[in-house]
Amino acid sequence: QVQLQQSGPGLVKPSQTLSLTCAISGDSVSSTSAAWNWIRQSPSRGLEWLGRTYYRSKWYNHYAVSVKGRITINPDTSKNQFSLQLDSVTPEDTAVYYCARVKQLAESYFDYWGQGTLVTVSS
Amino acid sequence: SYVLTQPPSVSVAPGQTARITCGGNNIGSKSVHWYQQRPGQAPVLVVYDDTDRPSGIPERFSGSNSGNTATLTISRVEAGDEADYYCQVWDSGSDHPGVFGGGTKLTVL
Repeated sequence: QVQLQQSGPGLVKPSQTLSLTCAISGDSVSSTSAAWNWIRQSPSRGLEWLGRTYYRSKWYNHYAVSVKGRITINPDTSKNQFSLQLDSVTPEDTAVYYCARVKQLAESYFDYWGQGTLVTVSS
Repeated sequence: SYVLTQPPSVSVAPGQTARITCGGNNIGSKSVHWYQQRPGQAPVLVVYDDTDRPSGIPERFSGSNSGNTATLTISRVEAGDEADYYCQVWDSGSDHPGVFGGGTKLTVL
């Protein structure tokens, strides 16, 4: 059974960096079939895919154009987890953030999700 | 980028059949996935690849996809099915490949 456990602060000041971590159990961040994603949800933007990381002999990252330039997703193989960093946040980045797994890149659905973290951007 | 359109709400009486649609340009050529989200909880996958159900999802949940419309059908609706439902596709090659519909609130009368 795969479990994704999120951690990180719920309040970030404008212009600072949002940082969240997703710890994986029951699978490996270095899996050569899975991909590890970040998705956020807000009333104004709905569910929004932000990006993913995956390993296929080397590490790959793909990011949504809406956050490209501000987003970094990093794997941490020593702790079997991956992280999200979103720079220069504004109140529009206030949302519930989820990590989620895609079991196989050939598939495109998110079969396991973290519990979600409400991040509020406010001074 | 690719757009998925869902009705904001659907209402159905217990025991009846609910149909939630997801519209998109030639969506029949894509694999459509459906999620159920109860208040305060993360989304849960209920149908993937148009018609398949993950382990543990009741047979009452089924899906179809053709032309410009995909449909999630919930038979013999129960009070516990009341939730938001989202469709999702992967639009490969797009600047924003992970696409979700706006969601449909299913109300059980």
